[in-house]
Amino acid sequence: DTGVSQDPRHKITKRGQNVTFRCDPISEHNRLYWYRQTLGQGPEFLTYFQNEAQLEKSRLLSDRFSAERPKGSFSTLEIQRTEQGDSAMYLCASSPQGQMNTEAFFGQGTRLTVV
Amino acid sequence: KNEVEQSPQNLTAQEGEFITINCSYSVGISALHWLQQHPGGGIVSLFMLSSGKKKHGRLIATINIQEKHSSLHITASHPRDSAVYICAVSAGATNKLIFGTGTLLAVQP
Repeated sequence: DTGVSQDPRHKITKRGQNVTFRCDPISEHNRLYWYRQTLGQGPEFLTYFQNEAQLEKSRLLSDRFSAERPKGSFSTLEIQRTEQGDSAMYLCASSPQGQMNTEAFFGQGTRLTVV
Repeated sequence: KNEVEQSPQNLTAQEGEFITINCSYSVGISALHWLQQHPGGGIVSLFMLSSGKKKHGRLIATINIQEKHSSLHITASHPRDSAVYICAVSAGATNKLIFGTGTLLAVQP
């Protein structure tokens, strides 16, 4: 296994367009997290999946944002009607099943630029 | 006030110097993480601590649960240590991470 994979690595889109990002976690990890990082800041939590269930969503996740993990494996994060303020690095992380205190494994992120 | 505070925000050191980055937090945690982020975005986990001290090579991390404080030390610093170092805590039922704003370290030869 090559770790957490995110696609695309970079995305430039025009304001108002929809974008979708994909995250493939490490295969045996049932915990999956999405974070957003703006320039010069630490990442901020967006949402959490345990298997296919979305168990927590941040208030940062407006109604333009939706995330899915339909089969408990890969996850997608969609942003509708993008705004310039959505420009950020979107990070995915996964953790193993059944263990509370484990390190998080991060993907390389998807850098979104809204023009 | 942020739930996780780091200091300093920026740090420039000469090769070989001993470096300390500090982290304090104000929430209940299950663990504290030190992470490294290089330009381009990838984040690598350096340490996960719930008590005491851990050492990997030239890196040492300590945590004081009572004082809600942790430090990351780098001995004999090298230019390849230049990166952003981020403190984060695992919190809540989902163990989501709450991050500090990071410390940008530049080690000059």
